[in-house]
Amino acid sequence: DAGITQSPRHKVTETGTPVTLRCHQTENHRYMYWYRQDPGHGLRLIHYSYGVKDTDKGEVSDGYSVSRSKTEDFLLTLESATSSQTSVYFCAISDPGTDTYEQYFGPGTRLTVT
Amino acid sequence: EDQVTQSPEALRLQEGESSSLNCSYTVSGLRGLFWYRQDPGKGPEFLFTLYSAGEEKEKERLKATLTKKESFLHITAPKPEDSATYLCAVEEGMGKTSYDKVIFGPGTSLSVIP
Repeated sequence: DAGITQSPRHKVTETGTPVTLRCHQTENHRYMYWYRQDPGHGLRLIHYSYGVKDTDKGEVSDGYSVSRSKTEDFLLTLESATSSQTSVYFCAISDPGTDTYEQYFGPGTRLTVT
Repeated sequence: EDQVTQSPEALRLQEGESSSLNCSYTVSGLRGLFWYRQDPGKGPEFLFTLYSAGEEKEKERLKATLTKKESFLHITAPKPEDSATYLCAVEEGMGKTSYDKVIFGPGTSLSVIP
C-alpha cells in the first residue's frame, strides 16, 4: 500500500468554525490532491499541488484553501465550515515519473458540519 | 462536455456468475484510463491503467479492456470478496508539463452473493 495517512479520520464541527485536514505521504511523490466524495457526485477535485508551495484549484475549490510547505504534507483548510462541506475527503498522490497520473489514495476523512 | 459514465449503477451476481462493467467516456485527448476498486469506508485502490485501444490488463478474476470510446471490466467467476464499488477514471491532456485533468465516473456497486 502507498504510504498515505490522513488525519483526523473523523471530525464533527460546527458551522462557522475553521477546520484543517492533513495528508502525509512517505512516497516522495511530487503531486498531491484533495478530493471530496458525495453520493450522486462521485469524486470531485478540490485542489492539487505539483510541488512544494505550488498549488492550483480544482473543480470545487470555493470555500477551501490548501498549503504545502513540505513534499510530504498537504493541508486542506475550510476557513469557515458550512453544512454543504459535510463529506468524505480523500487525499491522493501521483508520481510524474510514470507515463500517466495514476493516483493512490489515502483512507479518507469523514467530516460532519452541524 | 468531457464526461465519464459507468453502467450499470449497481450489479448483483451469484458467486461464479461472470459479467462485465462498462465505462464510457467523452474526452478530447485520452492519455490513460484507470480502474479502481473501493471498499466501504476506504479510499479507492488502484487496479489498472490502460493507454490505447485494444489493450488488455488482467489481475486475478478481473480483466480490463479498452476501445476508443469505452472500457470494460470483466469479472470471471466472481467471489463474495469481489464485492465493492468499481470506479473508472480518465486522464485527458496533451502532456506532462502541466496537470492532466482526471475525470472520475460515478462507479458501479457490485455485490456477489454466495
